[in-house]
Amino acid sequence: EDQVTQSPEALRLQEGESSSLNCSYTVSGLRGLFWYRQDPGKGPEFLFTLYSAGEEKEKERLKATLTKKESFLHITAPKPEDSATYLCAVQEVSGNTPLVFGKGTRLSVIA
Amino acid sequence: DSGVTQTPKHLITATGQRVTLRCSPRSGDLSVYWYQQSLDQGLQFLIQYYNGEERAKGNILERFSAQQFPDLHSELNLSSLELGDSALYFCASSGNGETQYFGPGTRLLVL
Repeated sequence: EDQVTQSPEALRLQEGESSSLNCSYTVSGLRGLFWYRQDPGKGPEFLFTLYSAGEEKEKERLKATLTKKESFLHITAPKPEDSATYLCAVQEVSGNTPLVFGKGTRLSVIA
Repeated sequence: DSGVTQTPKHLITATGQRVTLRCSPRSGDLSVYWYQQSLDQGLQFLIQYYNGEERAKGNILERFSAQQFPDLHSELNLSSLELGDSALYFCASSGNGETQYFGPGTRLLVL
């Protein structure tokens, strides 16, 4: 059974204090690993898809990396507007299949 | 804006009642997914449709059913509602079988 575990559950940072969120996964064959951002009461917003170990993608202050067992979302010099829950999800190799989500990391960035 | 629309935004009803949630996917997307998000469970996959046909089922209760119509919009029907059905219900759509784009959700409160 596919499993996704995210840590920490919650993270509080000062503005400008860089950090990383972790997503470890177990899947029989990985089609893709997805990162989403979710604001309270809103739908998840797509950030990145990673397909193979060693791959990296960046968007503004966010950088996602992938190994064979985990993914990291690095946040560089965060701002208060980066406060949100960050969700990680995996999709099996067959594709066109549902995503299996972790429970997310709640990030708070304090000015 | 993801391009996925969901109605209604909020729904308050009583136990034992039946409700219908509606989702319109992004233009051209053939796959529609339904997810339930509660505080303690995170995002849980319910059911997937592809071009009108049921493609995959997750932890969907027998009291819940869904369909996708020829114009590709989808409806999720929840019946004999219980207090524990209170949650956010999200619809997502995909055009390439991989990246899923989420709608804004329907918040259901069962009293």
